[in-house]
Amino acid sequence: EVQLVESGGGLVQPGGSLRLSCAASGFTFSSCAMSWVRQAPGKGLEWVSTITNSGGNTYYTNSVKGRFTISRDNSQNTLYLQMNNLRAEDTAIYYCAKVPNFAVGVWFDPWGRGTLVTVSS
Amino acid sequence: ETVLTQSPATLSLSPGERATLSCRASQDISIYLAWYQQKPGQTPRLLIYDTSNRATGIPARFSGSGSGTDFTLTISSLEPEDFAVYYCQQRKYWPPITFGQGTRLEI
Repeated sequence: EVQLVESGGGLVQPGGSLRLSCAASGFTFSSCAMSWVRQAPGKGLEWVSTITNSGGNTYYTNSVKGRFTISRDNSQNTLYLQMNNLRAEDTAIYYCAKVPNFAVGVWFDPWGRGTLVTVSS
Repeated sequence: ETVLTQSPATLSLSPGERATLSCRASQDISIYLAWYQQKPGQTPRLLIYDTSNRATGIPARFSGSGSGTDFTLTISSLEPEDFAVYYCQQRKYWPPITFGQGTRLEI
């Protein structure tokens, strides 16, 4: 069974940093692209970032470019999201999601349970 | 950026009825549309990808159709567990991947 478990969320002040992790199991992690998708409280879904299986290519939504960095450690089956210069509008649940077949297209299945990031003074 | 507009915002139906949810894209995205279900307090779940392909384990009462700019998710006969929020997502023009704002299906 595929499992994705996020961690690293919490309360941080504006301008601060956090590093999210997503521990993956139940599939060949190194063969799959991975993504982060977020959901602000009471709002809809927003794609944040995607990384290819090797880590060689990364993609970001414009609002986080230059502030967030997606990476992965295939030896540890772990996905990361380094978030710097955080803003109030980054407050959200951050979900880790597997991209089943990047060569065909990007959709998300399954999703982790998410980790809450709150940016507030 | 490809904008996805879902309608209606809220759909009120009863168990056993047929549900029809719409997603309209701001440009032609061919068949590259997915649908997700999110129940309160739960993580999103993939239902349909590339317009009409059901994900693993998704019941046959869920079906998708459309192409170009207009897409539909149909639930043929609502079960109590189907009441949730549904999102569409396009993958034709990315980055960015974009989602619709969601349709709340309520009893």
